[in-house]
Amino acid sequence: GNSVTQMEGPVTLSEEAFLTINCTYTATGYPSLFWYVQYPGEGLQLLLKATKADDKGSNKGFEATYRKETTSFHLEKGSVQVSDSAVYFCALPNSGGYQKVTFGTGTKLQVIP
Amino acid sequence: DGGITQSPKYLFRKEGQNVTLSCEQNLNHDAMYWYRQDPGQGLRLIYYSQIVNDFQKGDIAEGYSVSREKKESFPLTVTSAQKNPTAFYLCATSQDYTGELFFGEGSRLTVL
Repeated sequence: GNSVTQMEGPVTLSEEAFLTINCTYTATGYPSLFWYVQYPGEGLQLLLKATKADDKGSNKGFEATYRKETTSFHLEKGSVQVSDSAVYFCALPNSGGYQKVTFGTGTKLQVIP
Repeated sequence: DGGITQSPKYLFRKEGQNVTLSCEQNLNHDAMYWYRQDPGQGLRLIYYSQIVNDFQKGDIAEGYSVSREKKESFPLTVTSAQKNPTAFYLCATSQDYTGELFFGEGSRLTVL
């Protein structure tokens, strides 16, 4: 089935630093790819998505490009803020029907002032 | 206000007791899911349901049970057979099976 590998955390950055969180995937076909964010004590919420190869998803200053050549969907932000401190999950639907979604293990980001 | 409501937010139970976590949605989504989250392990799928009166086991269904009698509701029962029930439980819904999920705020269960 489809799978996703995400860089381990925690990641600690100073405010206004550049952020990259790596995500690589194994998939049958070209499923949509997702980044979800989880703030402390809350459920997950969709941060951005890309539905086909070479698509760039973006939201709240975050970006990720669906690269089929490198099977990657790395999350980037040019200047992080303290409010970006959260856990970030890369995800994709399983093969053979999209009823199930596979998540990465999550990367915790801490931004210090 | 559209969304997914999970209750209770925090729950403490003694070992050997069954507990039921509630999940209600007013998004009119067909599919509903239960995930378990443990530190450092991401999310693992317990059960999911695509339509009323039908549900399927996920990757870690042992020790759990669900029902789907109404489109809006998908309660999860954590039975005494679940070896390590202490965890954060997340309910989610989806409409189009693209992989885009909508999550509730979660329920944290602690077994003493």
